[in-house]
Amino acid sequence: AQKVTQAQTEISVVEKEDVTLDCVYETRDTTYYLFWYKQPPSGELVFLIRRNSFDEQNEISGRYSWNFQKSTSSFNFTITASQVVDSAVYFCALRTFTDSWGKFQFGAGTQVVVTP
Amino acid sequence: NAGVTQTPKFQVLKTGQSMTLQCAQDMNHNSMYWYRQDPGMGLRLIYYSASEGTTDKGEVPNGYNVSRLNKREFSLRLESAAPSQTSVYFCASTALEGTSGANVLTFGAGSRLTVL
Repeated sequence: AQKVTQAQTEISVVEKEDVTLDCVYETRDTTYYLFWYKQPPSGELVFLIRRNSFDEQNEISGRYSWNFQKSTSSFNFTITASQVVDSAVYFCALRTFTDSWGKFQFGAGTQVVVTP
Repeated sequence: NAGVTQTPKFQVLKTGQSMTLQCAQDMNHNSMYWYRQDPGMGLRLIYYSASEGTTDKGEVPNGYNVSRLNKREFSLRLESAAPSQTSVYFCASTALEGTSGANVLTFGAGSRLTVL
């Protein structure tokens, strides 16, 4: 069965600090997708990134960067120079296609609190 | 584009009452999902519909029924509401593999349900 673990329940930082969110996943599939979603205080779920299992290149988008390591089954997310607008709950998710076709499995989420 | 539209946004029910959450997407997506979000538990899949005419149970289907009315609409019904069903419900959809929008979940704004 597939599983996503976000061990950090809440992270508090002061503005301009960097913050790294951990995500560890479990699957026996060789083909899968990994995601990060952001849920700001307004409640909507915003897609941030998708990575497929064959692409281990790290990615940077502005202040956001993602580190995908198949060897440790991790897909970590770093916010550089955090801002108050980064305060949100961040979810990591996994999609596989074998024993649970098409389902997206979410982690419990990490609450990020950025204070001025 | 409206994307994924859920109604109602808020609802208060008494124990034992029934209600239906409506969801419609205008992106021609094949697969649709219902999740519930509870504090500290992330998003848990209730039911999903891989394509029009099919539905399948997720992690927490007890107490719910679904109907995939057509390609656009996927409703979630609570036949006899219980306080344990107090939650925020999200509908989501994704496109067929190999098409634009595939493998990214697009979410509705959420429906907050309170059962007294």
